[in-house]
Amino acid sequence: AQSVTQLGSHVSVSEGALVLLRCNYSSSVPPYLFWYVQYPNQGLQLLLKYTTGATLVKGINGFEAEFKKSETSFHLTKPSAHMSDAAEYFCAVSLYSTLTFGKGTMLLVSP
Amino acid sequence: DAMVIQNPRYQVTQFGKPVTLSCSQTLNHNVMYWYQQKSSQAPKLLFHYYDKDFNNEADTPDNFQSRRPNTSFCFLDIRSPGLGDAAMYLCATSPSQGQPQHFGDGTRLSIL
Repeated sequence: AQSVTQLGSHVSVSEGALVLLRCNYSSSVPPYLFWYVQYPNQGLQLLLKYTTGATLVKGINGFEAEFKKSETSFHLTKPSAHMSDAAEYFCAVSLYSTLTFGKGTMLLVSP
Repeated sequence: DAMVIQNPRYQVTQFGKPVTLSCSQTLNHNVMYWYQQKSSQAPKLLFHYYDKDFNNEADTPDNFQSRRPNTSFCFLDIRSPGLGDAAMYLCATSPSQGQPQHFGDGTRLSIL
């Protein structure tokens, strides 16, 4: 069975500060890993994905994530937060089938 | 642009009155998914179709059913909505299982 843990239901940063959203997974074999973003009253939008190959993956809007097998982690980062980054972020894992989502982290960005 | 479209965006129904939510896609993806998302929670998979093969999650209530008449369309039927079924319902598609999913903007269902 696979599972995803996102540490922190809410993360607050100032505009221009580093964004770090944490995600740890549990899986019997290396899974596919995803980060999605959800703005209010909208569906989920794919930010980035890891399947195989390079462990540092770059996504849209300046986000990136690094797959660390030894730590079973896939943390999401962005060097400098913008007000428009305020949203809910979901980490998800897939073992060649359906997605299992984490509970989500709400990112709050203050001026 | 290729996309996943859900209609309507907002749906209000009465307690116990059947309701149908629709989803269409222009991506020609094989897999279509229905999720239920309650406030401040992660999306919960209800069922999915791989082409015409229907896959129901074990904990999806019998009150929820789905139809996929062709590749482009998928419907979610709630036979007798209860107050606890008020939620955002998200449709998603992917080329095959395990691939990134493309989501519609959802239908927010309210129960009176």
